[in-house]
Amino acid sequence: EAAVTQSPRNKVTVTGGNVTLSCRQTNSHNYMYWYRQDTGHGLRLIHYSYGAGNLQIGDVPDGYKATRTTQEDFFLLLELASPSQTSLYFCASSDAKDWGYAEQFFGPGTRLTVL
Amino acid sequence: QEKVQQSPESLIVPEGAMVSLNCSFSDSASQSIWWYQQHPGKGPKALISIFSNGNKKEGRLTVYLNRASLHVSLHIKDSQPSDSAVYLCAVSMSLPGTGSNRLTFGKGTKFSLIP
Repeated sequence: EAAVTQSPRNKVTVTGGNVTLSCRQTNSHNYMYWYRQDTGHGLRLIHYSYGAGNLQIGDVPDGYKATRTTQEDFFLLLELASPSQTSLYFCASSDAKDWGYAEQFFGPGTRLTVL
Repeated sequence: QEKVQQSPESLIVPEGAMVSLNCSFSDSASQSIWWYQQHPGKGPKALISIFSNGNKKEGRLTVYLNRASLHVSLHIKDSQPSDSAVYLCAVSMSLPGTGSNRLTFGKGTKFSLIP
């Protein structure tokens, strides 16, 4: 089964701080995604990537940057964190071969609190 | 943008009961519909997906899709304690030029067994 890991699992920062969330998948999937999950909103797509060096904008990108350094590693950067970015963040990956029907495999999540 | 609505928001049933979860979506061009299960403190995990009109059965799970009414339902037979979780409906749409898909999630249905 696909393995997606995230670090850190919990993070507390202050308003204006810099935060980097890390995600690694070990299944040679081409596609990786960053979501945030909030009560009342469900899971919302922030950024996604279909290969090293590629970045695409999702539905709620404001205040977030992302970098895909290798096929395995995808990072989410909050350069000036705000309390509105307090959330549970999930990374996911999927394979390209089942075009349009690919299952997304999720990591365990990172809980971020911005004070 | 695709809209996904789930009902009910929560339900509590006795062990062994049949459970029915509903999901409506807005775009008839959606490719496949997924149901994900999320236990507390964990990432979502795919349970079952459907593309064609009609039904699909896997073990205790049956999913029904009606593209004309833009509605999908998930039925869980003989509910067990391990079924207590949040269930997320996700609609898959292709990402043009990438060969993969994106998912739009509903807010989820929280399902619990009567203790």
